Amino acid sequence: LAKTTQPISMDSYEGQEVNITCSHNNIATNDYITWYQQFPSQGPRFIIQGYKTKVTNEVASLFIPADRKSSTLSLPRVSLSDTAVYYCLVGANSGYALNFGKGTSLLVTP
Amino acid sequence: ETGVTQTPRHLVMGMTNKKSLKCEQHLGHNAMYWYKQSAKKPLELMFVYSLEERVENNSVPSRFSPECPNSSHLFLHLHTLQPEDSALYLCASSQDMQGMADTQYFGPGTRLTVL
Repeated sequence: LAKTTQPISMDSYEGQEVNITCSHNNIATNDYITWYQQFPSQGPRFIIQGYKTKVTNEVASLFIPADRKSSTLSLPRVSLSDTAVYYCLVGANSGYALNFGKGTSLLVTP
Repeated sequence: ETGVTQTPRHLVMGMTNKKSLKCEQHLGHNAMYWYKQSAKKPLELMFVYSLEERVENNSVPSRFSPECPNSSHLFLHLHTLQPEDSALYLCASSQDMQGMADTQYFGPGTRLTVL
């Protein structure tokens, strides 16, 4: 399984754009990049998934450079309710074992 | 609502008790998972079932016993637990798409306290 590295924590003010970068140097050819969000005492929630270039949905954007060794989750205009832990995961379906790691704890303040 | 429900949401039990956690998914998925999340630790995958067959068991102590009677239901039977087993237990399900990225949908979890 590809190992991921992301910042332990980030702070932001309301209304700002937040970019969380994840490194995954040993990503395999058939691996996808998936981001989850987790609020305290709740299960993680799928945010976005991509394989290459850029993916955008109603919640976030995911930027993946050509070498796919990193990815950036972009949250536009964050609000207080975006305070959560964000996990970057890399893998395909083989083995089922999603490695959530420690994630990035994002704190949004007024 | 993710389509995955867990009961009970909170459970307090003594070390000699026997209890069960229940998970139900309404998504038509083929794979179901149990995770453990202790305070300030990453999620730990415990068990994986695919089409009601256990496909992964990550060295979990035998005091945790999973059961998957059908693809919609998953149980975790608990007996003679230790205080260090206190944690948030999360159930998840996925479509189980072979060879493709497979998104997992999580339930709200059961907060377990072992006294």
